[in-house]
Amino acid sequence: EAQVTQNPRYLITVTGKKLTVTCSQNMNHEYMSWYRQDPGLGLRQIYYSMNVEVTDKGDVPEGYKVSRKEKRNFPLILESPSPNQTSLYFCASKKGGTRPPYEQYFGPGTRLTVT
Amino acid sequence: DAKTTQPPSMDCAEGRAANLPCNHSTISGNEYVYWYRQIHSQGPQYIIHGLKNNETNEMASLIITEDRKSSTLILPHATLRDTAVYYCIVRVAMDSSYKLIFGSGTRLLVRP
Repeated sequence: EAQVTQNPRYLITVTGKKLTVTCSQNMNHEYMSWYRQDPGLGLRQIYYSMNVEVTDKGDVPEGYKVSRKEKRNFPLILESPSPNQTSLYFCASKKGGTRPPYEQYFGPGTRLTVT
Repeated sequence: DAKTTQPPSMDCAEGRAANLPCNHSTISGNEYVYWYRQIHSQGPQYIIHGLKNNETNEMASLIITEDRKSSTLILPHATLRDTAVYYCIVRVAMDSSYKLIFGSGTRLLVRP
């Protein structure tokens, strides 16, 4: 089954303790992206990657890192989490290329709480 | 990208058609209309997209007016599982970020 998976689905952690949220897709998609969703603010893009070893900042990259060493994986790293990073996080992927269509496929989400 | 306007909420009876409107009066010629939905904090799910012509897939139909200033997403036989927030998004041929901008959407409640 074609899908985007994220782990963990739920995480409660403390300020400053480094964590990684994994994202993996089995559709051979070139493009992957991370969003966070907060009440009243909608989905905001954190980082995206057009292909292996190519990453770029989205709208809210501060406090996050990413890497893209393999096509299927795009982990999100919080080196020193803070309470304002408490949020619902989504990973997404799409086929590459610059022509439409542009439908993206989203993972199930990771609910992160930083105390 | 063109701004979209959707009603905040709608409801329909199970088994009936759900017609969700979207206004995008400032849409330009190369902008596509996309519909996604989000079921209670799950990942957003792509439904359908179109440029000028009406489109249909296994999930829904998309009717775009001739002037392209509005569109309607039709779920032909709504089920309880279609209860979700539906987002209408208008995007130009994407920039390299392929960022999706979700507005407030329409909260659809399907009643038994």
